[in-house]
Amino acid sequence: DQQVKQNSPSLSVQEGRISILNCDYTNSMFDYFLWYKKYPAEGPTFLISISSIKDKNEDGRFTVFLNKSAKHLSLHIVPSQPGDSAVYFCAATRGSTLGRLYFGRGTQLTVWP
Amino acid sequence: EPEVTQTPSHQVTQMGQEVILRCVPISNHLYFYWYRQILGQKVEFLVSFYNNEISEKSEIFDDQFSVERPDGSNFTLKIRSTKLEDSAMYFCVTRKTEANYGYTFGSGTRLTVV
Repeated sequence: DQQVKQNSPSLSVQEGRISILNCDYTNSMFDYFLWYKKYPAEGPTFLISISSIKDKNEDGRFTVFLNKSAKHLSLHIVPSQPGDSAVYFCAATRGSTLGRLYFGRGTQLTVWP
Repeated sequence: EPEVTQTPSHQVTQMGQEVILRCVPISNHLYFYWYRQILGQKVEFLVSFYNNEISEKSEIFDDQFSVERPDGSNFTLKIRSTKLEDSAMYFCVTRKTEANYGYTFGSGTRLTVV
């Protein structure tokens, strides 16, 4: 089941710079996309989401971009902070179902001082 | 901020034994799910539960698995006869309404089958 893919297992960024995490999907029925952040020994925490009717959603330092034609979304974190170091999961769902989420494998972001 | 509470945080069990993982959802949430993450792999959907019945289940959720909400508060996942490959982190997830995509994850139960 590779409907959501995060092809970069890790990303290392200097503090203050931009972090860009990428996600691709194959199922054109997906209409809602979410990003979760996960620290070790904790459950994933919701970060930001975007509906397929939009191409951008911004919340503070976090912005998600959606390119439906390319079936691609990205999460931008500006400026990156050491506390952002975590695993980031991309997830997608279809509004017509009762909410099953399909996850990517995650990207380990490390922000160094 | 309201939390989804899972117990125990870590459970070690022998192969073939039954385990019950417990979850206390956020009080006004109506949709409940179990997900799991095997070490090094992606988070996988197991089952969704709404209005006291299963609404969807994955191919992983075979006859060894069951869910219930016996007292209207706790939401449980039972694995009848555990296998080594059931070792994973199990997450309870709840959601307020169908229109609200606010999925809230619990902190997880790490199940180790030996």
